[in-house]
Amino acid sequence: DIQMTQSPSSVSASGGDRVTITCRASQGISSWLAWYQQKPGKAPKLLIYAASSLQSGVPSRFSGSGSGTDFTLTISSLQPEDFATYYCQQANSFPLTFGGGTKVEIK
Amino acid sequence: EVQLVESGGGLVKPGGSLRLSCAASGFTFSSYSMNWVRQAPGKGLEWVSSISSSNSYIYYGDSVKGRFTISRDNAKNSLYLQMNSLRVEDTAVYYCARDGRSSSEFDYWGQGTLVTVSS
Repeated sequence: DIQMTQSPSSVSASGGDRVTITCRASQGISSWLAWYQQKPGKAPKLLIYAASSLQSGVPSRFSGSGSGTDFTLTISSLQPEDFATYYCQQANSFPLTFGGGTKVEIK
Repeated sequence: EVQLVESGGGLVKPGGSLRLSCAASGFTFSSYSMNWVRQAPGKGLEWVSSISSSNSYIYYGDSVKGRFTISRDNAKNSLYLQMNSLRVEDTAVYYCARDGRSSSEFDYWGQGTLVTVSS
């Protein structure tokens, strides 16, 4: 199974900050990586697919990069509605696996 | 508008069974692979099972293999998860999710249904 390791597990940031979250796969997954945002009590929302493709309707301040084993989600200027938990997920092979999550909190 | 609505969750005793349903609308259900993803209280996301558009492939996570069965009825635009031999550790919110355009990422999710396994 492919293990997905996210870091950090939590980050405190202020509005307007640039926030970077990393995700590492235990083996190469090409660009088959997705990023999700989840707010308390809500279903996850797809932000990025294929490592760097922005899902329709998602603000352009969100961007993804990477390939192989190392990936990054960047929020260029944190907005109040961005405080949430973010998960990466490998879509390369079954079993599909998620990272442990990164909670973005208000500083 | 794509909508996925889960139902069938509830309280069940260890060893019991439950059947979850997911009603899909707003898209051509028979053209998409579908998935179940769960989230235990206060924990992260765990993929449970996937089924292709025409049932040509079905996959399960190790933690549910042999106990859960995924199925679909394309005529009824519905996805199902039959859960048998339930364990306390199966307690979670279960989400129905549609495969995205690229690969096995999940572009639309239902609101989730809570399954609680407790004596």
